[in-house]
Amino acid sequence: QKEVEQNSGPLSVPEGAIASLNCTYSDRGSQSFFWYRQYSGKSPELIMSIYSNGDKEDGRFTAQLNKASQYVSLLIRDSQPSDSATYLCAVRAGTGANNLFFGTGTRLTVIP
Amino acid sequence: GAVVSQHPSWVICKSGTSVKIECRSLDFQATTMFWYRQFPKQSLMLMATSNEGSKATYEQGVEKDKFLINHASLTLSTLTVTSAHPEDSSFYICSVQGLTYEQYFGPGTRLTVT
Repeated sequence: QKEVEQNSGPLSVPEGAIASLNCTYSDRGSQSFFWYRQYSGKSPELIMSIYSNGDKEDGRFTAQLNKASQYVSLLIRDSQPSDSATYLCAVRAGTGANNLFFGTGTRLTVIP
Repeated sequence: GAVVSQHPSWVICKSGTSVKIECRSLDFQATTMFWYRQFPKQSLMLMATSNEGSKATYEQGVEKDKFLINHASLTLSTLTVTSAHPEDSSFYICSVQGLTYEQYFGPGTRLTVT
């Protein structure tokens, strides 16, 4: 079982819609959760971090964490064509390790 | 967040030669840096964790004698690909660990071995 799982997509949404990206993780003791955006040919860019259950909003982005269900999601409101990218979910395990476990990413396409 | 640079941004080398890639944390003292490799249309693969002043910790399957990592200061880590072969052609990305375990990535180095 992979530590972090994401639907690889592709996920297509029309411009202005809400894009919903989902991620599950296997280590129940995981402490920290991150969402990265990666444009084709570029390196990942941190867009959201979340550490406690509930919602965290930053502009058009909302991260949601449910530790009981081992589930973290990212909502993008008013999706724009410039949001078209691969979104990576990353989780820091609860074992004291420094490194993050990355999902394989969900490719999002926003259709104008 | 931290600003991370990498040099060079791309490099072409001949098979059998060595290539050094630099990763610099421009505005943050990085105790821990990471090195990743990413093949086209694949996910990030962690190669090693680089700790300032100590030996790097390599992931299983990564040859430490082939991928030499030196983290000599809080702002600089280097990755040297020794005796490069075409199968080492990839996108190499470093990252800096922040105060709450987030990682900030450099822009990456695209290596092509001919």
